[in-house]
Amino acid sequence: KNEVEQSPQNLTAQEGEFITINCSYSVGISALHWLQQHPGGGIVSLFMLSSGKKKHGRLIATINIQEKHSSLHITASHPRDSAVYICAVTTGNQFYFGTGTSLTVIP
Amino acid sequence: KAGVTQTPRYLIKTRGQQVTLSCSPISGHRSVSWYQQTPGQGLQFLFEYFSETQRNKGNFPGRFSGRQFSNSRSEMNVSTLELGDSALYLCASSLVFGGEQFFGPGTRLTVL
Repeated sequence: KNEVEQSPQNLTAQEGEFITINCSYSVGISALHWLQQHPGGGIVSLFMLSSGKKKHGRLIATINIQEKHSSLHITASHPRDSAVYICAVTTGNQFYFGTGTSLTVIP
Repeated sequence: KAGVTQTPRYLIKTRGQQVTLSCSPISGHRSVSWYQQTPGQGLQFLFEYFSETQRNKGNFPGRFSGRQFSNSRSEMNVSTLELGDSALYLCASSLVFGGEQFFGPGTRLTVL
């Protein structure tokens, strides 16, 4: 049983397209994180949120606590957005990770 | 501020050996968490240290252990290595457990 489910697993988009990655979780959480991992392994935290919506540049993250669901949106996608996007949740004492969404943006 | 550093970056060991990995957090961060990433299991939480105490632990066997020093630097030890321990080991620091995670570049361990 996976505490965090992500969809889609793989996503290919044309440059400029609007992209949505979804995350559902089954545990009570204190926060939800969206992470970005480029080839080579480095992981960067994009967002940490516990309610509502956050925006950084072309990236938007939303969370619905009642439905236990979060979405990551990328507007006007660019080839440099190609990476694996990972959803993670923290409970009081655990971290659970989704399996990631591999995004490829084609010029 | 300097980022999170991990040493060594690459390591090759044989089954049965033990290994120690090191992580230096961002200055001022007292929480250090360790993660294992494999192609099959993805990212998994190993444990978290805060102020030299292990406060949270994932579902890994006792062969995986760690410690944290007074300067918040942390080490992770794996004893009696198995082939399945081959993975990318990442550490991340934050102000508190569950807070925004700042990841190091990782140590890629290969067990032969």
